[in-house]
Amino acid sequence: DAGVIQSPRHEVTEMGQEVTLRCKPISGHNSLFWYRQTMMRGLELLIYFNNNVPIDDSGMPEDRFSAKMPNASFSTLKIQPSEPRDSAVYFCASSLDSYNSPLHFGNGTRLTVT
Amino acid sequence: KNQVEQSPQSLIILEGKNCTLQCNYTVSPFSNLRWYKQDTGRGPVSLTIMTFSENTKSNGRYTATLDADTKQSSLHITASQLSDSASYICVVRQYGNKLVFGAGTILRVKS
Repeated sequence: DAGVIQSPRHEVTEMGQEVTLRCKPISGHNSLFWYRQTMMRGLELLIYFNNNVPIDDSGMPEDRFSAKMPNASFSTLKIQPSEPRDSAVYFCASSLDSYNSPLHFGNGTRLTVT
Repeated sequence: KNQVEQSPQSLIILEGKNCTLQCNYTVSPFSNLRWYKQDTGRGPVSLTIMTFSENTKSNGRYTATLDADTKQSSLHITASQLSDSASYICVVRQYGNKLVFGAGTILRVKS
């Protein structure tokens, strides 16, 4: 199994531009999570899906952030328009269930907004 | 307030030595506690998951303990190796599905 696959690994963009991060979860996993990690705040949950349905998006900072999961094998996190304070590492994770199974994280997308 | 506190913030040990990382939590109601290892530039990797009824669990040279009464957990690393250098994150699942993350302990193993 290739694990959770995220793309791109690095993204550098200018303030105001749209950014789209992509994630392919592990096949058979029915829960998918988007996290953001910064030195100041550590790992923060942005949103999670169960069976492709968004369950909790209370961590999404503001309307500039949106996430979709059109099918069981693909999810996107979009930031429009991006701001310098969005600079962070964004992780996607998947699990067999959302309660007792471990999270399997991708290697993240490092986003820099200038 | 639901919190997870880890100590120390950082630690340097010599290769071959043992070390213990601490995690105290106030998360309630408790569902399970997890330890993750995060190498630089990579995503966290699960080491152990413990439920209320488990007080110790091992994964190779890693042994986690849990005292649900005092709300404390520890991660003991035996015979450390250079590859153990990483951030170790304690995560507590609150019953009802919320995960509360600690800030992590940065471990550096020196030769």
